[in-house]
Amino acid sequence: DGGITQSPKYLFRKEGQNVTLSCEQNLNHDAMYWYRQDPGQGLRLIYYSQIVNDFQKGDIAEGYSVSREKKESFPLTVTSAQKNPTAFYLCATRQSSSYNEQFFGPGTRLTVL
Amino acid sequence: RKEVEQDPGPFNVPEGATVAFNCTYSNSASQSFFWYRQDCRKEPKLLMSVYSSGNEDGRFTAQLNRASQYISLLIRDSKLSDSATYLCVVILSGGYQKVTFGTGTKLQVIP
Repeated sequence: DGGITQSPKYLFRKEGQNVTLSCEQNLNHDAMYWYRQDPGQGLRLIYYSQIVNDFQKGDIAEGYSVSREKKESFPLTVTSAQKNPTAFYLCATRQSSSYNEQFFGPGTRLTVL
Repeated sequence: RKEVEQDPGPFNVPEGATVAFNCTYSNSASQSFFWYRQDCRKEPKLLMSVYSSGNEDGRFTAQLNRASQYISLLIRDSKLSDSATYLCVVILSGGYQKVTFGTGTKLQVIP
């Protein structure tokens, strides 16, 4: 199957714990993105990466960290420094040329108790 | 001013109605435009790209007005299954090609 895999679909963690969300793609896309979506709100960009071993902060990077060691993988760590981590997290990919759209994974719904 | 603005709605329309959404963007360097659909608690999915000449896909028509910096989506003969949130997306030209989403317009089609 071609596409973007995010796991797990639902994740529960205790307050104060770091948690890592997985995003894997086999579309051979250069760029990968992490978004956060709160209920009834739009998408907010956390981090993005255009090539392996390089990534940039988005609009709400505080309390999050990422790595891009392989083209296929872009894991997101939600650290204990993130004040309100409960949200729907979406990973997206895109082939970096002018007119290409983004593709999204199914998302991970994180609940911090 | 927000980079991409949409009326959040909700738009409540009867089945069979025609409904139009607009989305304005502020950066004239924007070069690629898309409409996405997002169902409740799901990921956004591409509905259609928006081309300069306008394009149609069945009951859906997308248009771009570069002079006034807006894109539009027209849905004809609305179906119950069209109920969703519609997001406009703008991609800038240049090395980074920044992707910006509107906050979405919620559509509810009523029987």
